[in-house]
Amino acid sequence: DAGVTQSPTHLIKTRGQQVTLRCSPISGHKSVSWYQQVLGQGPQFIFQYYEKEERGRGNFPDRFSARQFPNYSSELNVNALLLGDSALYLCASSFGLAVQFFGPGTRLTVL
Amino acid sequence: EDKVVQSPLSLVVHEGDTVTLNCSYEVTNFRSLLWYKQEKKAPTFLFMLTSSGIEKKSGRLSSILDKKELSSILNITATQTGDSAIYLCVSSDSWGKLQFGAGTQVVVTP
Repeated sequence: DAGVTQSPTHLIKTRGQQVTLRCSPISGHKSVSWYQQVLGQGPQFIFQYYEKEERGRGNFPDRFSARQFPNYSSELNVNALLLGDSALYLCASSFGLAVQFFGPGTRLTVL
Repeated sequence: EDKVVQSPLSLVVHEGDTVTLNCSYEVTNFRSLLWYKQEKKAPTFLFMLTSSGIEKKSGRLSSILDKKELSSILNITATQTGDSAIYLCVSSDSWGKLQFGAGTQVVVTP
């Protein structure tokens, strides 16, 4: 079975631009969560969606938004990019509130 | 504010050594404690602990949770170079929200 997939793998943007990251969960998983991992730190929680509804939001500015589609895939949008948004963005899926399984991540570089 | 603290932040050991990683947590509505291994990108799941005092084992890795002390340890015996990675301690609350520690970087030298 395919694991969590994310696209793109790498992305380079300039300050002020907007970016959309995509995630497809493991088949049968209805919950998707997004995390930001800055070099040298553990992942930080951004959003959790379950059955297409937002279940939780971390301490991130409104420039960050997300949504979950009827097929349970998800998008993370970041507007007005800042240098500090450069990070590895991880998506994880789970069946309900069980163990979360992570995708390979999208490496975002903001110049 | 919820927090998860890991120690040490990094360590270097020789193949065959035993490693003990520590994790403490302060989490509202705590439900479970998880350990993940991160080698390149995606953290991979190792253990989920919900009951205090019950050791979970997988090969050379084992882990235990102490709910009284709000802590957990991860042991790796007979370390191999393939054990080199960042080990993440993670708390999960009743909503399934994960709070990560900063991780412990383990380097196993031949």
